[in-house]
Amino acid sequence: EAQVTQNPRYLITVTGKKLTVTCSQNMNHEYMSWYRQDPGLGLRQIYYSMNVEVTDKGDVPEGYKVSRKEKRNFPLILESPSPNQTSLYFCASSPAYHRGGGYTFGSGTRLTVV
Amino acid sequence: GDSVTQMEGPVTLSEEAFLTINCTYTATGYPSLFWYVQYPGEGLQLLLKATKADDKGSNKGFEATYRKETTSFHLEKGSVQVSDSAVYFCALSDRGTSYDKVIFGPGTSLSVIP
Repeated sequence: EAQVTQNPRYLITVTGKKLTVTCSQNMNHEYMSWYRQDPGLGLRQIYYSMNVEVTDKGDVPEGYKVSRKEKRNFPLILESPSPNQTSLYFCASSPAYHRGGGYTFGSGTRLTVV
Repeated sequence: GDSVTQMEGPVTLSEEAFLTINCTYTATGYPSLFWYVQYPGEGLQLLLKATKADDKGSNKGFEATYRKETTSFHLEKGSVQVSDSAVYFCALSDRGTSYDKVIFGPGTSLSVIP
């Protein structure tokens, strides 16, 4: 089954404790992206990657890091999480030019930073 | 820059009522248009799409027509069911300098009551 898999689904952590949210896709998609979803703010793009070793900032990159060492994986790293990073996070992937196909989204990771 | 505007709701309808969710866009190029749906506790799923003017996207009884002259892509369904309760996102994909940037609207929450 074609899918984007995120782990974990739920995570509660403390301020300053480094964490990684994993994302993996099995569709050989070139393009991958991370979004956060907050009430009243909609979906905001954090980082995206056009292909292996190619990453770039989205609209709200502060406090986040990413890497793309393999085509299928695109982990999101919070080096020192803060409470304002409490949010619902989505990973998405698509072919390089997704005008016709659109995104495939993961199921989401609900992160709480206390 | 590119943008998507949609009615934010919440929208509450009785079962079997007619649904319209308005979506208008601004784009510098010739975008593809999408509707995504997010059921409670899940990620976004592509509901339907249209890639050129006058195209009609349809899926699961939902329809939307790409209207270039009015820059609109309104979502309609003739008879909603309780299972259609979800958040609906209008989105566009426009060709940027090196990739297709996706812009999401703020989402419209729909509740269908029996």
